[in-house]
Amino acid sequence: RKEVEQDPGPFNVPEGATVAFNCTYSNSASQSFFWYRQDCRKEPKLLMSVYSSGNEDGRFTAQLNRASQYISLLIRDSKLSDSATYLCVDSGNTPLVFGKGTRLSVIA
Amino acid sequence: GAVVSQHPSWVICKSGTSVKIECRSLDFQATTMFWYRQFPKQSLMLMATSNEGSKATYEQGVEKDKFLINHASLTLSTLTVTSAHPEDSSFYICSASREAYNEQFFGPGTRLTVL
Repeated sequence: RKEVEQDPGPFNVPEGATVAFNCTYSNSASQSFFWYRQDCRKEPKLLMSVYSSGNEDGRFTAQLNRASQYISLLIRDSKLSDSATYLCVDSGNTPLVFGKGTRLSVIA
Repeated sequence: GAVVSQHPSWVICKSGTSVKIECRSLDFQATTMFWYRQFPKQSLMLMATSNEGSKATYEQGVEKDKFLINHASLTLSTLTVTSAHPEDSSFYICSASREAYNEQFFGPGTRLTVL
């Protein structure tokens, strides 16, 4: 299975800050990824897909750097409600393989 | 669209009893369903993959006789934890995918506590 690595954090940031997470992968053939968000005691929810062209949705921007084999997720103007664990997943795996993710705490 | 439900959302049972968890795809036909387990502060760990009408494929270290999986229809898979023990207490999450699509749709999870 294609594995990814993430900094587990936690990342503690003030409201309004910009925060970025990286996720590295080892399989150079990987072409697309998912970013999921998981709240405590809840199921993971798909945040966005990431392809070579990147993806942007409101305050969230995801990019795929194939040369350096990492995926990034940028969150602008952090809200308290952004506090969660963010999981990077290689979409080429069936079923999806999850790591521990990166924990974000946005503080008032 | 692509809603997956789980029932029950939480269950508390005595050691030695069996617990059945249902996973349903509400608005699509799920050719494949997956069962994951998550312990506190740990990652989601895949337990098994089930395809409708065939036997489930279990991950290494998961006892198939303890965790019985039935996928009798394209909208329903069940996981039965037999003779549950306190160490089986965990968050069980199912997901479902449609044929030719890689995206998995997750159920809300079932929190099992075995006393």
